[in-house]
Amino acid sequence: GQQVMQIPQYQHVQEGEDFTTYCNSSTTLSNIQWYKQRPGGHPVFLIQLVKSGEVKKQKRLTFQFGEAKKNSSLHITATQTTDVGTYFCAGANFGNEKLTFGTGTRLTIIP
Amino acid sequence: ETGVTQTPRHLVMGMTNKKSLKCEQHLGHNAMYWYKQSAKKPLELMFVYNFKEQTENNSVPSRFSPECPNSSHLFLHLHTLQPEDSALYLCASRPQGTDSPLHFGNGTRLTVT
Repeated sequence: GQQVMQIPQYQHVQEGEDFTTYCNSSTTLSNIQWYKQRPGGHPVFLIQLVKSGEVKKQKRLTFQFGEAKKNSSLHITATQTTDVGTYFCAGANFGNEKLTFGTGTRLTIIP
Repeated sequence: ETGVTQTPRHLVMGMTNKKSLKCEQHLGHNAMYWYKQSAKKPLELMFVYNFKEQTENNSVPSRFSPECPNSSHLFLHLHTLQPEDSALYLCASRPQGTDSPLHFGNGTRLTVT
């Protein structure tokens, strides 16, 4: 079955440093979504990427979808304490409503 | 307020108990999902309902029994669970037939003793 892996599993950064998490799918995706889950909370949708090579930005967050539509990345510039949480990617296959979630990257910020 | 409400927030049950988790959404969505989130594991899809019909059962043990009486409500009936079933159970919804994002509830933190 489809697998979606994320690296790293954990990331500790000093406040103000950049952060990147990478997502890799075993199959070509129709789209990829990113979610953030704060400690003790539930996943909250951040963004969806659909087109090959697509890049989207949300303030300090930059999302990329690979040319082959099998990988994606999330980059946060100048992290803040509010960025703490676990970031999940979730891939969708063509004609299938099932979203497969990645293993997640847990970000902690050192003030 | 997420638009998707789950009750209870926390549940402790013995292995011989029978309990139910409830999910209600007020977003007008037609697809509802149950996910299981365990420590150190990715979110695991359990069940999918579209227009009240179950369209996905991800090889879930029969001790978990879902029920979807209408498009706004989803239940997960639990009986004779095992300690390894302790996890956060998340309900989610989205418009059916689209690639729209999932809207998650706050989850039920289940502990099986």
